[in-house]
Amino acid sequence: DMKVTQMPRYLIKRMGENVLLECGQDMSHETMYWYRQDPGLGLQLIYISYDVDSNSEGDIPKGYRVSRKKREHFSLILDSAKTNQTSVYFCASSFHRGPYEQYFGPGTRLTVL
Amino acid sequence: KTQVEQSPQSLVVRQGENCVLQCNYSVTPDNHLRWFKQDTGKGLVSLTVLVHENDKTSNGRYSATLDKDAKHSTLHITATLLDDTATYICVVGDRGSALGRLHFGAGTQLIVIP
Repeated sequence: DMKVTQMPRYLIKRMGENVLLECGQDMSHETMYWYRQDPGLGLQLIYISYDVDSNSEGDIPKGYRVSRKKREHFSLILDSAKTNQTSVYFCASSFHRGPYEQYFGPGTRLTVL
Repeated sequence: KTQVEQSPQSLVVRQGENCVLQCNYSVTPDNHLRWFKQDTGKGLVSLTVLVHENDKTSNGRYSATLDKDAKHSTLHITATLLDDTATYICVVGDRGSALGRLHFGAGTQLIVIP
């Protein structure tokens, strides 16, 4: 059963705290992504990982970093979270080349107070 | 600047009615266009993908068209059900691989009432 999982599903943190969002996939996809979704906006790409330890900035990387030490796991880290990082975060994965389709996780709703 | 515009922003229909969702984009190149369904609090689930000029696809009660000349796509939902209540997101890919980027619309929120 092809699946992208995210943990936790809901998280409340105080401003200045560190945040770790985890993503896993069981499809042996090389490429994984982190997006955020805000009301009235399309999903915005934060980081992309083409394989283990091969990460690239997306369109809005500031304030975030990522870690990919195993192909099936991709972590998003917020060092000293800010209130404007309150959002819903989605992880996705895909094969590097065709057939090209991104599979999305269920999302993590992060609130930074 | 937003490169994928969806209309309407929201739509309320009665169960059993048909509806049409619109997507206009300015992404270049436009390798493919995909429609996703996002239930409240859930992830995105692919409904259909359109690749070629003047493509038409059908997936049960969902059908879609693509006009690459006009950079325009429509998603038709026939005989709506209460479970169709969701946000429908139009996404344009500028390449057919992970080397490209996906450009997301903000979505159309569809509400189906009894």
